[in-house]
Amino acid sequence: GENVEQHPSTLSVQEGDSAVIKCTYSDSASNYFPWYKQELGKRPQLIIDIRSNVGEKKDQRIAVTLNKTAKHFSLHITETQPEDSAVYFCAASTDSSYKLIFGSGTRLLVRP
Amino acid sequence: ETGVTQTPRHLVMGMTNKKSLKCEQHLGHNAMYWYKQSAKKPLELMFVYNFKEQTENNSVPSRFSPECPNSSHLFLHLHTLQPEDSALYLCASSQDPQATDTQYFGPGTRLTVL
Repeated sequence: GENVEQHPSTLSVQEGDSAVIKCTYSDSASNYFPWYKQELGKRPQLIIDIRSNVGEKKDQRIAVTLNKTAKHFSLHITETQPEDSAVYFCAASTDSSYKLIFGSGTRLLVRP
Repeated sequence: ETGVTQTPRHLVMGMTNKKSLKCEQHLGHNAMYWYKQSAKKPLELMFVYNFKEQTENNSVPSRFSPECPNSSHLFLHLHTLQPEDSALYLCASSQDPQATDTQYFGPGTRLTVL
């Protein structure tokens, strides 16, 4: 079955710097890759997703890139702000599956 | 946010107790999910319901028993739990029962088993 690995487990950056979180997946049939943000004590919320027919997607300060050949995808946050501090989860799935397979999460701390 | 609500938010129970977690979605979705979130582990899918029918049971022990009386409500009945079952239990819903459809999460129930 699908396995998703996420790195790093913790990331500390200075406000204004960029942050990059990387995930790899094992099932070459996976074609949907969402990213969720979970602030302390709150619910996970979708922040961006990408499907396998595109290589990059941007939404303001966040972007996701996908390399299907290497089976990895990354979340990029530019001009980080303290409110970006949270745990970020990547996930992968296929159209034919009911299952989203999540990575183990990255705790991002943005230092003011 | 009121799209997906869960009650109670916190629950402490003994190993011999029976309790239920409740989830309600106000988004008109057709699929609902239970996840378990333990510290330093990935979110684990437990159950999937599609139009009230269970379509996925991810090898969950029988001490967890889901119930979906309609497409808006989902319950998780708990009995004879173990301390290792302590975790945050998250409910989610999506328009369609495909993992490629956006899932909206509830706030979770923090469960502690003594």
